[in-house]
Amino acid sequence: AQSVTQPDIHITVSEGASLELRCNYSYGATPYLFWYVQSPGQGLQLLLKYFSGDTLVQGIKGFEAEFKRSQSSFNLRKPSVHWSDAAEYFCAVDPNTGFQKLVFGTGTRLLVSP
Amino acid sequence: DADVTQTPRNRITKTGKRIMLECSQTKGHDRMYWYRQDPGLGLRLIYYSFDVKDINKGEISDGYSVSRQAQAKFSLSLESAIPNQTALYFCATSDMTGANTGELFFGEGSRLTVL
Repeated sequence: AQSVTQPDIHITVSEGASLELRCNYSYGATPYLFWYVQSPGQGLQLLLKYFSGDTLVQGIKGFEAEFKRSQSSFNLRKPSVHWSDAAEYFCAVDPNTGFQKLVFGTGTRLLVSP
Repeated sequence: DADVTQTPRNRITKTGKRIMLECSQTKGHDRMYWYRQDPGLGLRLIYYSFDVKDINKGEISDGYSVSRQAQAKFSLSLESAIPNQTALYFCATSDMTGANTGELFFGEGSRLTVL
C-alpha cells in the first residue's frame, strides 16, 4: 500500500547535538517530498521541499534533507539542535498526481534536553 | 494578521449538534483544504477545493460537508457531531504558481471536542 512512514514517534536530543529524523515512502514513482514543522499550538510550517534535481535540499532554520531514491527515504537533518527546535515534525508526500493532495506521515516529536 | 484564519479556535459541543468551522484566507490562493489531526495519526485530508466550483472528497470525508462560499472562504460542517470527531482541524491553502508551488499554508487550527 502507498504510505509515508516516520518510524520514530519521539526523539530526544541534547541541545547542540546533531539530529536526524527518518522518513520513508512507498510510491511507485518519485513523489514530491516535504518536511513540515508544528510548534506547540501552531499550524504547520514548511521547512523544505524536494521536487527534482540536487538530492540534498536546504531549508529554513538550518535544516536540510537528503533524498535517496534507492532507499525511498527523505531524512531530515540538522547539525546542531537548539532548544527552540522542540516541536513535531511531519514528512509529507505528494504522489505527483498533479492534484497536490499531500499525504502526511504520523509525525515525530522532538524533545531537546539541556 | 494571519494569512489563513480559522474560527473558532476552540469549541466544545455535544453529540448530535451541528458544528461549522470557518476558514478565510488573504493569500489569494485558489486551492483550499481541510485536514484533521489526531495523535499518532498525523494529518488526514477531509475535503479539498481547487476553485469555487470545485469540491472534492479526501480520504475521510464521511460525516463532514464543506462549502466554498468564495475564493477566500472554505467552511467545514459536521451535521451531527459524534465523539470520534474530536480532533484538531486545520485549514490550508496552496498556490501552484511561483516560488511557493507545492507549499501548503496552514491556519492555526480549530480544536473541537465532542462530548
